[in-house]
Amino acid sequence: QKEVEQNSGPLSVPEGAIASLNCTYSDRGSQSFFWYRQYSGKSPELIMFIYSNGDKEDGRFTAQLNKASQYVSLLIRDSQPSDSATYLCAVYSSASKIIFGSGTRLSIRP
Amino acid sequence: DVKVTQSSRYLVKRTGEKVFLECVQDMDHENMFWYRQDPGLGLRLIYFSYDVKMKEKGDIPEGYSVSREKKERFSLILESASTNQTSMYLCASSPAGGATSTDTQYFGPGTRLTVL
Repeated sequence: QKEVEQNSGPLSVPEGAIASLNCTYSDRGSQSFFWYRQYSGKSPELIMFIYSNGDKEDGRFTAQLNKASQYVSLLIRDSQPSDSATYLCAVYSSASKIIFGSGTRLSIRP
Repeated sequence: DVKVTQSSRYLVKRTGEKVFLECVQDMDHENMFWYRQDPGLGLRLIYFSYDVKMKEKGDIPEGYSVSREKKERFSLILESASTNQTSMYLCASSPAGGATSTDTQYFGPGTRLTVL
């Protein structure tokens, strides 16, 4: 089992809809959780972090964390074509390491 | 704004050559990291450093070494490049943080290395 798992996609969502990206992790002692966006040919950039159970909202983005289920998700409301990218989930584990998932490719169709 | 720069965007080398990849950050960050990114495998940590002259192996250190003589600069060295080291190499830096730190890693633009 991978330490951080994401569905590789591609996930295709119509413009204006909600895109839902999911991530599960194996280390129950993990403490902080990050979502990065990576455009093709570019480096990852942080868009959200969360460390408490529940929801955290920032503009069109909402991160959701459920530590009991070892599950973190990212919702993108009112999806735009510019949201088309690969989204990487990263987890700060109990071993004081940041572990990245392999990413979900999101495509927003006009 | 945090700035992490890498010496080359694209590099083509021959098998057996010694390759140097340089990374510089301008935010006085303690931590620096080298990753490689391959399709389907995600980001894999090669080496990291928490301080000058200090280095720790990541998940895939074989075939690589690193050097950190100054706080702002972290170099990745391929002693004898091989074709399986063809990849995108990403450098990152972050401030020092504890277990609950929300400090994130800031990435450089990446170096796409091709070994022929």
